[in-house]
Amino acid sequence: DQQVKQNSPSLSVQEGRISILNCDYTNSMFDYFLWYKKYPAEGPTFLISISSIKDKNEDGRFTVFLNKSAKHLSLHIVPSQPGDSAVYFCAAGTYKYIFGTGTRLKVLA
Amino acid sequence: DAGITQSPRYKITETGRQVTLMCHQTWSHSYMFWYRQDLGHGLRLIYYSAAADITDKGEVPDGYVVSRSKTENFPLTLESATRSQTSVYFCASRGQGGTEAFFGQGTRLTVV
Repeated sequence: DQQVKQNSPSLSVQEGRISILNCDYTNSMFDYFLWYKKYPAEGPTFLISISSIKDKNEDGRFTVFLNKSAKHLSLHIVPSQPGDSAVYFCAAGTYKYIFGTGTRLKVLA
Repeated sequence: DAGITQSPRYKITETGRQVTLMCHQTWSHSYMFWYRQDLGHGLRLIYYSAAADITDKGEVPDGYVVSRSKTENFPLTLESATRSQTSVYFCASRGQGGTEAFFGQGTRLTVV
C-alpha cells in the first residue's frame, strides 16, 4: 500500500499563473514533509520542507501547506516560470523518506 | 570534490551477473539511502543506513544487498541481476540533525 500518493501525473500552467501540486499520505507518524524537483538525467534537488508541527512554510515563490487532519500537503508556485518545468516529488518520513510517484509540471510561455 | 557521487553513471550487465553500484559522500552524513526510479512508481526506497554498520530494508529490498563499513560509502550490490532491476538508481545522504536529503546524479542500469 502506497504511503505517499501524488494522484496527478501531470499539470500544465501558463507562465505567471499559480501552480498547485498535491500530495496525500497515510501515515500520521510522519514528522517531515518535503518537495523535490527533478530534471531529466539529474538527481532530485530539494525545494522546500515542512515539519508536522507547522501548517505553512514559505520560501520565495514556493509555499508548502500541510493539512494534518486531511493528511494532505500541497506545493504552491507563484508566479510559475518556464524554468519550473520539471517533475516534482513529495516525500514524507522521519529518518527515512518515502516518495510519491511524481507530478510532471509544464509551464507554458 | 565535495558532495555525493555515484559510479558508474551508466552500466549494462547481463542477467545473472553480480553488479555493484557505488555511492560516496564527503559530508560525513549519518544517513544514507538507495532509491530506484521507475516510470509509474516514482522513487522507491531500497535500503537505508543510519550509521556505519547499521542498515535496514526499505520498500523494495529483494534482490539487493548493502553494506556500510565506512560512513562515507554505501555500495549497493545486485547479487544476481534480473531484467526487472533495470532502472535508474539514486543514492542520497542526510545529516543527523538535518531535514534535507541530498541526492547523487544517478546510475542508469540496464540488465539484458
